[in-house]
Amino acid sequence: GDSVTQMEGPVTLSEEAFLTINCTYTATGYPSLFWYVQYPGEGLQLLLKATKADDKGSNKGFEATYRKETTSFHLEKGSVQVSDSAVYFCALRPNDYKLSFGAGTTVTVRA
Amino acid sequence: EAGVTQFPSHSVIEKGQTVTLRCDPISGHDNLYWYRRVMGKEIKFLLHFVKESKQDESGMPNNRFLAERTGGTYSTLKVQPAELEDSGVYFCASSQDSTGKQFFGPGTRLTVL
Repeated sequence: GDSVTQMEGPVTLSEEAFLTINCTYTATGYPSLFWYVQYPGEGLQLLLKATKADDKGSNKGFEATYRKETTSFHLEKGSVQVSDSAVYFCALRPNDYKLSFGAGTTVTVRA
Repeated sequence: EAGVTQFPSHSVIEKGQTVTLRCDPISGHDNLYWYRRVMGKEIKFLLHFVKESKQDESGMPNNRFLAERTGGTYSTLKVQPAELEDSGVYFCASSQDSTGKQFFGPGTRLTVL
């Protein structure tokens, strides 16, 4: 079945550091790929998405590129802020409605 | 526009008790989904409603879980009787159509002692 594997956390960084969270997936066909973020006390929010190979999703300084050849969708940000502290979830959705999520990566950014 | 709301935000119950979680989707969203995250692991799909009908309940773990969406508005998820392994965070999401963006609520953290 479909599955997502993402880098285990927790990840602790200093402000302005570079952030990478690895995500690989297993799926039949060509799923859409997502990154969701959960800030403390809030619900899951869609951060970015990509719907086909080589697409790059971007939002709030975060980027991820849909790599079909490596079945990956790694999340990157060049300079993190304290406000980026959150739990990040990689997810995929095949042609239907079900989202399959990874286990989440907790990121803490220190001033 | 109000987002997806869930109640309660946190529930602590004893093993064997009953708990009912509630989700209010965004107004006008026919599609409603339940997911849960257990023990800090993956968020897993539980079920999907279209209006008041269950379209897919393949993710429901066992018959101790009962979801309803009477009238096609809010939904409830009842766990009866609760077991220790039911502890986790239960998320609700809604969308206008089944392939559209899903908007998530803040989740209900359930702790079974």
